[in-house]
Amino acid sequence: GAVVSQHPSRVICKSGTSVKIECRSLDFQATTMFWYRQFPKQSLMLMATSNEGSKATYEQGVEKDKFLINHASLTLSTLTVTSAHPEDSSFYICSAGGRTMSGQYFGPGTRLTVT
Amino acid sequence: DQQVKQNSPSLSVQEGRISILNCDYTNSMFDYFLWYKKYPAEGPTFLISISSIKDKNEDGRFTVFLNKSAKHLSLHIVPSQPGDSAVYFCAARPTGGGNKLTFGTGTQLKVEL
Repeated sequence: GAVVSQHPSRVICKSGTSVKIECRSLDFQATTMFWYRQFPKQSLMLMATSNEGSKATYEQGVEKDKFLINHASLTLSTLTVTSAHPEDSSFYICSAGGRTMSGQYFGPGTRLTVT
Repeated sequence: DQQVKQNSPSLSVQEGRISILNCDYTNSMFDYFLWYKKYPAEGPTFLISISSIKDKNEDGRFTVFLNKSAKHLSLHIVPSQPGDSAVYFCAARPTGGGNKLTFGTGTQLKVEL
């Protein structure tokens, strides 16, 4: 099956700093990548959708200046949490879909802790 | 507005018995449905899917049933195994919606020995 990797798996940063999370599709070309966050015992909340070579589409309530998404190639998308605050601490998950795919394949997630 | 709902936050089943996880949706534009399984601190893994032109899809121990008129789908796992203990999310995709999915809130399944 399709494999999606995420790096890092876990990161701790200080309040006010920025953190970059990478999402890679390892064995297929991901025309679309999605970024989710999940709070404890809650559902996956879609943050944004990014298509290769174009600007990301953010869901309502998600600050695009705070969560910068870049999808520069068909195998890589990055999410940068700028000026992170403790309330940004969460589990961030990316997923990817290709042109012929009916669904999404998820990365293993990144646990972000802002102190 | 929760378009995909999983009304049971948790379910406990004995090993060997059938697990039935339910999902309801409100958007009649959804035409493709998926079930994902998620362990803590991991990304969801795809289990099984069904197109709206079908009412049943089976893959090993997993069967998904779709009742379009009731806007309801269910995932049956039989026999249930302890390793099935996880959170199960149903997801739905609208016609022409690309790969964008709407997820339910999840059901925590616990399979007991």
